[in-house]
Amino acid sequence: NAGVTQTPKFRVLKTGQSMTLLCAQDMNHEYMYWYRQDPGMGLRLIHYSVGEGTTAKGEVPDGYNVSRLKKQNFLLGLESAAPSQTSVYFCASSYSQGAPGANVLTFGAGSRLTVL
Amino acid sequence: AQSVTQLDSQVPVFEEAPVELRCNYSSSVSVYLFWYVQYPNQGLQLLLKYLSGSTLVKSINGFEAEFNKSQTSFHLRKPSVHISDTAEYFCAVDLSPYGGSQGNLIFGKGTKLSVKP
Repeated sequence: NAGVTQTPKFRVLKTGQSMTLLCAQDMNHEYMYWYRQDPGMGLRLIHYSVGEGTTAKGEVPDGYNVSRLKKQNFLLGLESAAPSQTSVYFCASSYSQGAPGANVLTFGAGSRLTVL
Repeated sequence: AQSVTQLDSQVPVFEEAPVELRCNYSSSVSVYLFWYVQYPNQGLQLLLKYLSGSTLVKSINGFEAEFNKSQTSFHLRKPSVHISDTAEYFCAVDLSPYGGSQGNLIFGKGTKLSVKP
């Protein structure tokens, strides 16, 4: 039972480069989320999805794009990386509203991104 | 704007001592409340939650939190901490009217609990 798997775990980019972070969940969760964690800032929501083919902006969406082509996968893309995007990125998933356990997020182990 | 305030960024404590991690939130609507724990180099995992019913909720490893609506607080307590409790603890508030987050989960900035021998 893998839960939420994020790849890669570590990545170093140069300013202006692009990359994609992959999140995969095997719990048949409807909702998926991308957060970034910075020291002293807690977790801030970047984008989220309430179902296959749908995405929505969170608190800090600028500079990121997402796609949810398959229910189990949620991709986070950086088209032109900037040093301000150096962070630890967490993917999470949950059941849909009204379902038992709907409020509980299951997190991946994180992806540490450094932009030079 | 809705917000979650964790009053202490770091809490050092000796093993077997009691601890309280404070969390206050601002909201004019009913909320669901959570504590998540993050051990070093890991993702967050749910510690305990309040959705409705009894205002005192407990985890399997001895933590408890009490929802206080009048003070808009959800403080986390443990009567006797262990070295293994060293971690960062995040309070979170879900403003979704029917649950399911939908991007309405707001996290506090975290409290680092350091348990010393």
